[in-house]
Amino acid sequence: EPEVTQTPSHQVTQMGQEVILRCVPISNHLYFYWYRQILGQKVEFLVSFYNNEISEKSEIFDDQFSVERPDGSNFTLKIRSTKLEDSAMYFCASSNPKVATNEKLFFGSGTQLSVL
Amino acid sequence: AQKITQTQPGMFVQEKEAVTLDCTYDTSDPSYGLFWYKQPSSGEMIFLIYQGSYDQQNATEGRYSLNFQKARKSANLVISASQLGDSAMYFCAMTYQAGTALIFGKGTTLSVSS
Repeated sequence: EPEVTQTPSHQVTQMGQEVILRCVPISNHLYFYWYRQILGQKVEFLVSFYNNEISEKSEIFDDQFSVERPDGSNFTLKIRSTKLEDSAMYFCASSNPKVATNEKLFFGSGTQLSVL
Repeated sequence: AQKITQTQPGMFVQEKEAVTLDCTYDTSDPSYGLFWYKQPSSGEMIFLIYQGSYDQQNATEGRYSLNFQKARKSANLVISASQLGDSAMYFCAMTYQAGTALIFGKGTTLSVSS
């Protein structure tokens, strides 16, 4: 079965540094997402991306965050100046819904970001 | 606004028994989708089952079934014949439109013992 690929699996960075988390969604998918999960807490939506633009974003997705699809395969999340509270598991997901609400999201295995 | 509630932080079940994980939701949209995902200790999110708001039948996928009670706004996951490998965190989630956020509940940790 096709899968969403995320790299790196672990990222350690210093507070204030920029990080880029990378994802390769499933090739025929049209919608791309980033979610995050702080340890022991629920999965939180960050942003969705469709047709080369952000279609929805949450309150968490402030000016420190940006997303990009630089080529036909990669989808990246950039955190411009990391804070301690950005430490979390970041999941990329993609979907290709044929029915509006039947949106099975395929998740990557996540990038564990640790900000020191 | 949409909301998902999972009131069971932890559940314990013996191998081969059935278990029900509760999920209630709140939305004013008539069209929505409900999902269950499994997150084992390795961290990945595994899709289990989907139920559309207009689906007449309850969804089933192998040992997983979704007990959808629309009037009560509940979408409980039933796992029949539990296995040790079912031990994981289980998340209920919903969405109402393609490309919009999938809203997750807080999750239920299921522990299966032999």
